[in-house]
Amino acid sequence: AQSVAQPEDQVNVAEGNPLTVKCTYSVSGNPYLFWYVQYPNRGLQFLLKYITGDNLVKGSYGFEAEFNKSQTSFHLKKPSALVSDSALYFCAVRDIGGDYKLSFGAGTTVTVRA
Amino acid sequence: GAVVSQHPSWVICKSGTSVKIECRSLDFQATTMFWYRQFPKQSLMLMATSNEGSKATYEQGVEKDKFLINHASLTLSTLTVTSAHPEDSSFYICSAAGVSTDTQYFGPGTRLTVL
Repeated sequence: AQSVAQPEDQVNVAEGNPLTVKCTYSVSGNPYLFWYVQYPNRGLQFLLKYITGDNLVKGSYGFEAEFNKSQTSFHLKKPSALVSDSALYFCAVRDIGGDYKLSFGAGTTVTVRA
Repeated sequence: GAVVSQHPSWVICKSGTSVKIECRSLDFQATTMFWYRQFPKQSLMLMATSNEGSKATYEQGVEKDKFLINHASLTLSTLTVTSAHPEDSSFYICSAAGVSTDTQYFGPGTRLTVL
């Protein structure tokens, strides 16, 4: 079984401040971890993924995420948030040995105020 | 690369009619496509997984006779909502994954409104 938890429904930050969106996961084997962003009435856009290798993954639009195996976490970060980063963010996981099915977190709404 | 399109982007239909939604991978071969449903301010609910040339695998609770899925080629999957009712109104999103990619890429979604 695999699952993802995003403990925060909402994150509010001021523009220019660091942004962190939290994610913890559970899989039976080794994880593939993903972050997606969704703007209103749009599909999901792929931001970044962790498969193997360096624990710090860099992705699109200045986002990065750190894989922490001991804490089973994969938090999304951005050093300096922009108003245009306001959106709904989803963390997702799948077992490396499994099929392509993803398990999604409930989503975190990020609001960046000017 | 890895672009997935959906058509139509929105559709309004009368109760009892059928609606077909297309999902296309534009620049890669999608051996597996997924269909999701999303309610307002909620996460995605996987409806079914389809592999090219074989029958779709439906998630528990999803009516296969109501939501017909066809994955006839490596670049096209269709979802047909048969005899649509107002409770079928939702945002439907497809995604695609290929042999050479371990990432699902998502279409822009289709807003279905059943009157």
